[in-house]
Amino acid sequence: KAGVTQTPRYLIKTRGQQVTLSCSPISGHRSVSWYQQTPGQGLQFLFEYFSETQRNKGNFPGRFSGRQFSNSRSEMNVSTLELGDSALYLCASSLDVGRNTEAFFGQGTRLTVV
Amino acid sequence: SQQGEEDPQALSIQEGENATMNCSYKTSINNLQWYRQNSGRGLVHLILIRSNEREKHSGRLRVTLDTSKKSSSLLITASRAADTASYFCATGPTSGTYKYIFGTGTRLKVLA
Repeated sequence: KAGVTQTPRYLIKTRGQQVTLSCSPISGHRSVSWYQQTPGQGLQFLFEYFSETQRNKGNFPGRFSGRQFSNSRSEMNVSTLELGDSALYLCASSLDVGRNTEAFFGQGTRLTVV
Repeated sequence: SQQGEEDPQALSIQEGENATMNCSYKTSINNLQWYRQNSGRGLVHLILIRSNEREKHSGRLRVTLDTSKKSSSLLITASRAADTASYFCATGPTSGTYKYIFGTGTRLKVLA
């Protein structure tokens, strides 16, 4: 069974640009969560999608958005990039939105904003 | 916000020794998961322990959970250089916005 796939692995963008990251969950998993990881803040929850609907959202500005498609693949978008958005963005896949399920992570997308 | 705190923040041991990492949390949980992260890569799922379990084993890993003390420990026995990584605990709270809340991590270095 294939794991969680995130693309691209690395990105370099300029301040003010926008970026779209993609995540394909494990086959059969319908919940996708996104996290931002930085050295100073650790792993911060961005949002969770299930059945194409955003279920939960962390404390991030509206420049961070996402969506989920009918095949459970998810994308997150960051508009008007700032230097502080440089981070490792991780996607986690789980079977459903239940609170007692395991989460499996992809390799992440390393975003550098210059 | 992160509710998990890991202790120690960093740990350096010799190959063959055991490594113990602790995780403390603040609210009621359904489960607690441990993850490994190698040098800025993705998180690898190690083990999940449910709130009604006290101990769980997987290979060289042993996880304990004490819900009365709101703490968990991860023991890696007979450590290897390849175990060098950061280890995170993630709690699954019973309520609230966050499905998983991650700790700050323990950086483990195993010296050959």
